[in-house]
Amino acid sequence: KQEVTQIPAALSVPEGENLVLNCSFTDSAIYNLQWFRQDPGKGLTSLLLIQSSQREQTSGRLNASLDKSSGRSTLYIAASQPGDSATYLCAPYPGGQFYFGTGTSLTVIP
Amino acid sequence: EAQVTQNPRYLITVTGKKLTVTCSQNMNHEYMSWYRQDPGLGLRQIYYSMNVEVTDKGDVPEGYKVSRKEKRNFPLILESPSPNQTSLYFCATAYEGASTEAFFGQGTRLTVV
Repeated sequence: KQEVTQIPAALSVPEGENLVLNCSFTDSAIYNLQWFRQDPGKGLTSLLLIQSSQREQTSGRLNASLDKSSGRSTLYIAASQPGDSATYLCAPYPGGQFYFGTGTSLTVIP
Repeated sequence: EAQVTQNPRYLITVTGKKLTVTCSQNMNHEYMSWYRQDPGLGLRQIYYSMNVEVTDKGDVPEGYKVSRKEKRNFPLILESPSPNQTSLYFCATAYEGASTEAFFGQGTRLTVV
């Protein structure tokens, strides 16, 4: 069974900082990995999807990398803003279901 | 607009009273699934469906039932809810395949007293 770990569990940074969120997973046999954002009490919003054949994916200030062989992915957020405050979840997809970590709770202080 | 719609959004019920949480999608996705989210445990899959009339258990199926009679709908049924089923529930849908991108509903917060 896929185990997903996200570090750190919580992060508080001043506005404008660049930051890195880490995700590790135990089974490298995945089709892709997706990063989500979840606001309190809300659903999940997809941020980036990296296919297993890709090394990274970019969208605006977000950049996600994937090292499938070592079971690691990172989400890089540039020039953080208060609106980035949320919980970030990574989800490797081996087929059949998405496996989730418990997320990184990010607070960006104005 | 691509949508995954769950109803109800909030529900308080009593132990043993059967209930159904509905999920509907307008994207013609083959794959649909239900997750529950609990503090400290993250999201765990309850059931999933790869297509009409095809369903399978996830990691925590006990106490739940599902059906997939139409492609767009995937209801979650709690025949006899218990307090340990108090949770935040999410429906997710996707095209099945290597490029699968999941879309989630807004969630249903269920309280069983």
